[in-house]
Parts: sequence; C-alpha cells; structure tokens
Amino acid sequence: GNSVTQMEGPVTLSEEAFLTINCTYTATGYPSLFWYVQYPGEGLQLLLKATKADDKGSNKGFEATYRKETTSFHLEKGSVQVSDSAVYFCALYSSASKIIFGSGTRLSIRP
Amino acid sequence: GAGVSQSPRYKVAKRGQDVALRCDPISGHVSLFWYQQALGQGPEFLTYFQNEAQLDKSGLPSDRFFAERPEGSVSTLKIQRTQQEDSAVYLCASSFTTSGAGELFFGEGSRLTVL
Repeated sequence: GNSVTQMEGPVTLSEEAFLTINCTYTATGYPSLFWYVQYPGEGLQLLLKATKADDKGSNKGFEATYRKETTSFHLEKGSVQVSDSAVYFCALYSSASKIIFGSGTRLSIRP
Repeated sequence: GAGVSQSPRYKVAKRGQDVALRCDPISGHVSLFWYQQALGQGPEFLTYFQNEAQLDKSGLPSDRFFAERPEGSVSTLKIQRTQQEDSAVYLCASSFTTSGAGELFFGEGSRLTVL
C-alpha cells in the first residue's frame, strides 16, 4: 500500500543553519506530494506541494523537489529562523479520497 | 469564522461513555475529512465526505466509530463505548475540491482522553 517515511526527530539547529528533512514514499502511479507544517498551538497547514516528477514546490524559503527516481521529496531551507520551529509532515495523495501522512519531524531552532 | 472550527477542544471521558465531536468546515468546502492523530504520530485517515455523502469510511477503526454530515456542512464524529485506545487528537479538515489532491484546511483538533 501507499506509505510515507520521514526522518525521525527531534531536529535541533542553530539559527541560520541549513535544514534538510528527508522524506521517501511508496505509492502506485504518480502521487501528488505535500509538506504540511504544524506550528505550536495551531492546526496543520499546507507549506508546499508538487504534483508531478521534477516539480519543485516552494514557500517561505522552503523547497522540495519531487524525485521519482529516488521516490523522495526532501524538505530544505537555506537559513532557518527561530520562527520555523514546528512539526513538519510529509504527505502524499494517490487515490480517490485520502492524503497519507508521515509520522512528523519536530524541528527546534536555537537563537 | 474564516477557518475550520472544532469542538470541544478537549474532552475527558470515562471508559464506556459515548462522545460526539463536532466540525464546522470552511463555508462552501465540498470535501470534509476526519483524521486521528496519536501522540507523536502523523494523522491517520478515518473517513471522507463529499457534501453529505460519506464516500470512504475505510479508516474507521471499529463499528464504535460513526460519522455523519447530514446537510453537507457541519460534521459530527461519534465514538460509542469509548476505550482507552481511543485517546488521541481528532482532526477535521476541509477542502474546496472534490478530490484529495487539493489543499486541506485543518482545524485545531479535539483532544480526547479516555480514563
């Protein structure tokens, strides 16, 4: 069945460090891929998405490229800020009705 | 309101009690989803509505779980005879598209604790 695997956290970085959160997936066909973010005390919200191979999603300085050959959708940011501290979820959509989420990666940024 | 609203935000139930969780989606959103999120885990799909029709309930863990959306807007997730393993955050999300490929807008969730 379809599944998403993302790197376990927590991840702790200093401000302005480079961030990578790994995500790989298993799916039939050609899924759409997403990163959702959950800031403290808030609901999940869409951060970025990509709908086909080699697409790059980007938002708020974050980027992720849909790599079909490696079945990956790694999240990157060149210079993180304290305000990026949150839980990040990789997700895919590949069937009629539901999005499947990874287990989440907690990111903490030190000033 | 502008976003997805869920109530109650927190619910404590004794084992065996019935609970009802409410979701008010964004006005005009056709699709409505319920997810269950255990501590430290990602959301797990429970069920999906397109307007008032429940098109997928494959994620409901047992027949104690029941969801409805009778008029195609507000939805209620009901859990009968609650068990300790039902303790989780229940998330509601809505979308303006009729498929799952569109952006989901999530509520803040209802945290259920079963004692």
